[in-house]
Amino acid sequence: DTAVSQTPKYLVTQMGNDKSIKCEQNLGHDTMYWYKQDSKKFLKIMFSYNNKELIINETVPNRFSPKSPDKAHLNLHINSLELGDSAVYFCASSQGAGQGAGEQYFGPGTRLTVT
Amino acid sequence: GDSVTQMEGPVTLSEEAFLTINCTYTATGYPSLFWYVQYPGEGLQLLLKATKADDKGSNKGFEATYRKETTSFHLEKGSVQVSDSAVYFCAPPLGGATNKLIFGTGTLLAVQP
Repeated sequence: DTAVSQTPKYLVTQMGNDKSIKCEQNLGHDTMYWYKQDSKKFLKIMFSYNNKELIINETVPNRFSPKSPDKAHLNLHINSLELGDSAVYFCASSQGAGQGAGEQYFGPGTRLTVT
Repeated sequence: GDSVTQMEGPVTLSEEAFLTINCTYTATGYPSLFWYVQYPGEGLQLLLKATKADDKGSNKGFEATYRKETTSFHLEKGSVQVSDSAVYFCAPPLGGATNKLIFGTGTLLAVQP
């Protein structure tokens, strides 16, 4: 039974298009995250939601907009895609958001390629 | 700001060799320290964690001890296998109001038969 799932797994699109990536977790966690991993495997947090409230919003272009319809889902919408957006995007979840929070569980990733 | 310095890869070892991947961090007072592993084509998964100073985390033959005096959390394994080939990330959380992890740059380990 998949704990954190993402769709799609692969996404190839052209510059200027708008696309969405979806994430769902069935662990009952209250906190979810989006990370971007570049070609050198460097991992950087983008956003985090706790109980549907945005708690981490890193320096990310406004073209990226997260949405959390409920605690189990966190979607990422990207407008006007650029070549530099090509990366692997990971969703993660954890129970709690503060210092006592548990470890994070990651999804399998969505490989976005912008041509 | 707070940062994590992780040993640069790639690290190439023969099967059954001893592994050390160094990790040091700049801030103090982290409640927990983590090592995550990413196998090819997969997401990250927790390998081990330590929740307080001098605590040792262990899993699948890997170990790491939270050394507050040297601000280090080095990963070790006595005898690596080909199946251990992956990218390893050190991650102390920034703490505070959020569980914001800062990841090291990742160390690619390649184990040859």
